[in-house]
Amino acid sequence: GNSVTQMEGPVTLSEEAFLTINCTYTATGYPSLFWYVQYPGEGLQLLLKATKADDKGSNKGFEATYRKETTSFHLEKGSVQVSDSAVYFCALLRGGGNKLTFGTGTQLKVEL
Amino acid sequence: NAGVTQTPKFQVLKTGQSMTLQCAQDMNHNSMYWYRQDPGMGLRLIYYSASEGTTDKGEVPNGYNVSRLNKREFSLRLESAAPSQTSVYFCASREASGSSYEQYFGPGTRLTVT
Repeated sequence: GNSVTQMEGPVTLSEEAFLTINCTYTATGYPSLFWYVQYPGEGLQLLLKATKADDKGSNKGFEATYRKETTSFHLEKGSVQVSDSAVYFCALLRGGGNKLTFGTGTQLKVEL
Repeated sequence: NAGVTQTPKFQVLKTGQSMTLQCAQDMNHNSMYWYRQDPGMGLRLIYYSASEGTTDKGEVPNGYNVSRLNKREFSLRLESAAPSQTSVYFCASREASGSSYEQYFGPGTRLTVT
């Protein structure tokens, strides 16, 4: 079946540090890939997405590239801010399907 | 637009009690979903409704029932609550046609069963 594996957290960084959160997936066919962010006390919001191999999703300074050869979709940001502190979820959707498969989430804490 | 709204925000139940979690969306979306979020397990799909009048089981449907009341509303019912159902519950919706796969989430209901 489909699955998503994310690096465990919490990840603690200083402001302006470089961020990478690893995500790998297992799926048949050609899934679409997503990063969702959950700020404290809120629901999830879509951060970025990529729907085919080699696509790069980007938003708010975050980027992730759909790498089919390594089945990965790592999230990166060049310079994090305290306001980026949240839980980040990697997810996949099988083509034409209706159900997202989520990773377990990675908590990011950014300190001054 | 309010997006996806959920009520209540918090609830405490005793084992064996029943309750219904309400969800509504004002984006005219066809598909709606109920998830539960537990520490270290991410989000798991309980039930979903691809369109008005249809519902299907997700990964963890046992102990729950759902009703797609109309296009806007999708409720989740716990008939006899158990401590294992202590969790944060999220409702989501999405437009099922076209190339947009984004799901829009509500703010969640934090449920504690004692």
